[in-house]
Amino acid sequence: EDKVVQSPLSLVVHEGDTVTLNCSYEVTNFRSLLWYKQEKKAPTFLFMLTSSGIEKKSGRLSSILDKKELFSILNITATQTGDSAIYLCAPYNTDKLIFGTGTRLQVFP
Amino acid sequence: DGGITQSPKYLFRKEGQNVTLSCEQNLNHDAMYWYRQDPGQGLRLIYYSQIVNDFQKGDIAEGYSVSREKKESFPLTVTSAQKNPTAFYLCASGGTGLQPQHFGDGTRLSIL
Repeated sequence: EDKVVQSPLSLVVHEGDTVTLNCSYEVTNFRSLLWYKQEKKAPTFLFMLTSSGIEKKSGRLSSILDKKELFSILNITATQTGDSAIYLCAPYNTDKLIFGTGTRLQVFP
Repeated sequence: DGGITQSPKYLFRKEGQNVTLSCEQNLNHDAMYWYRQDPGQGLRLIYYSQIVNDFQKGDIAEGYSVSREKKESFPLTVTSAQKNPTAFYLCASGGTGLQPQHFGDGTRLSIL
């Protein structure tokens, strides 16, 4: 059975802190792994990772995939209050996304 | 503006009633998906369709039905057989394993 585990479930930090969000997975027919940010409504796409060891970067956010150890991390440096959200990890099993429960990040000023 | 439109934003269901959630996309995507999200949980797949006039059950299809008569539209009916329908419902399109799925803004369904 496909499984995605995200940790921690919840994280509270102050502005300026750096955070690391973890995602481990067991998925048959793995094709890629996606990270999404969800505030109040629609999840918004952050990264798609297909190859091990290649870091994807967008501003203060970066992510990397390890296909041998079956995990991915999402790093956020110099956090801001606008980073407060649920971060969802979702590997593809063929053409279906398998979502973890998410990590709720709260950033306080 | 390209995107996915879900309506209504809020919906209330009476006992024994079927309700239909609308999802329309103008992104020219073949694949469309319906997810359910409960508090503290991730998204769970209800139904998906990879082509017009064809759809497959996801992990929690019981009590739901769908149709895919047009490429742009993938409505979800929550039937009276779904005993715990209160949740946030998200529609998505796109995604072929090497492309991201894009989401609508969701419909929040509650029981009256």
